[in-house]
Amino acid sequence: DAGVIQSPRHEVTEMGQEVTLRCKPISGHDYLFWYRQTMMRGLELLIYFNNNVPIDDSGMPEDRFSAKMPNASFSTLKIQPSEPRDSAVYFCASSRPGLWTQYFGPGTRLTVL
Amino acid sequence: KQEVTQIPAALSVPEGENLVLNCSFTDSAIYNLQWFRQDPGKGLTSLLLIQSSQREQTSGRLNASLDKSSGRSTLYIAASQPGDSATYLCAVRDSGNTPLVFGKGTRLSVIA
Repeated sequence: DAGVIQSPRHEVTEMGQEVTLRCKPISGHDYLFWYRQTMMRGLELLIYFNNNVPIDDSGMPEDRFSAKMPNASFSTLKIQPSEPRDSAVYFCASSRPGLWTQYFGPGTRLTVL
Repeated sequence: KQEVTQIPAALSVPEGENLVLNCSFTDSAIYNLQWFRQDPGKGLTSLLLIQSSQREQTSGRLNASLDKSSGRSTLYIAASQPGDSATYLCAVRDSGNTPLVFGKGTRLSVIA
């Protein structure tokens, strides 16, 4: 299995631009999680899905952030408009019921200038 | 609300030393606890998963223990090597289908 796949790996954009981050979970995993990691706040959960349905989005910082999971093999996290304080590494992770081990993607390093 | 704390935030040891990383959590009614390793610029790799009914798990030179009643877990690394240098994160899950809550990690440097 290829593991959790994220794209792009690096994104540099200017304030005000729209940013879309993409994630492909491990096949057969029905839970998908989006996290944000910064030096100050550590790893924070933004939103998670079960069977493509958003379960808890209370971690989404504000309305500028949105996430979708149109099918079991693809999810997006969109920031519109982006701001410099959104600069962070964004991780996607997936898991399946049972052991509940989460598998993380390599992350997308976002820099908003 | 569950909170996870890891102490120390950073640790530097000479090669060959045995070391212990600490993790504490505020709500002892957890479902399981997981230790991860993160290399610079990389994602998280799961090291050990301890179910709430277990006291410890071992993998090679790593041993993780869990004391639910006191809200603590330790990760023991035997005979440390420079390749062990990374950030180690502890995370707990409160129930079977809830997300992990992470600590901020301990950054380990093993000096050759």
